[in-house]
Amino acid sequence: DIQMTQSPSSLSASVGDRVTITCRASQDIRNYLVWFQQKPGKAPKSLIYAASTLQSGIPSKFSGSRSGTDFTLTINSLQPEDFATYYCQQYRDYPLTFGGGTKVEIK
Amino acid sequence: EVQLVESGGGLVQPGGSLRLSCAASGFTFSDHYMDWVRQAPGKGLEWVGRSRNKANSYTTEYAVSVKGRFTVSRDDSEDSLYLQMNSLKTEDTAVYFCARATYSGGHWALDHWGQGALVAVSS
Repeated sequence: DIQMTQSPSSLSASVGDRVTITCRASQDIRNYLVWFQQKPGKAPKSLIYAASTLQSGIPSKFSGSRSGTDFTLTINSLQPEDFATYYCQQYRDYPLTFGGGTKVEIK
Repeated sequence: EVQLVESGGGLVQPGGSLRLSCAASGFTFSDHYMDWVRQAPGKGLEWVGRSRNKANSYTTEYAVSVKGRFTVSRDDSEDSLYLQMNSLKTEDTAVYFCARATYSGGHWALDHWGQGALVAVSS
């Protein structure tokens, strides 16, 4: 199985900050990666697919990038509604696998 | 508007069975692959399984943790997805989400999700 290692597991940030979350794949997954946002008690919401393509309706403050097997989600100008848990998921091969999640909390 | 509504969750004893349903509306269900994803209390997301569409012979894929115990199926005439769960274990306790998989330009995204159904396995 492809392992997805996400870091950090949590971070504290202030409104207006820029935050970066990293996901590392245990093998080459090309750009077959999705980023999700999940708020407490809610279903996940797809933000980015193909490592860097914004899902329809997602603001451009969210961006994704890839360097080899390392993937990054960047959130610019953090707003109160952005405080949530973020997950990566690879879809290069079955079984599909998620990272462990990064909880973004208010400092 | 795309809607996915799960039902059938509840409390079941270890070793028991349960069947979840996911009713879809607002899109052409038969065109889409459909997934089940679960989340244990206070934990992260875990992909459970996938049903491909008719064009791909309704074939399925499973996570190792549920293979041989869980079965994903669908009824396109009813716009419904199912998850039959047998030989349930306490570690299967989770909220189970159904999600629509959309294919675009060689890439997949789970772009719509249901609200989830809670399955609790306990004696």
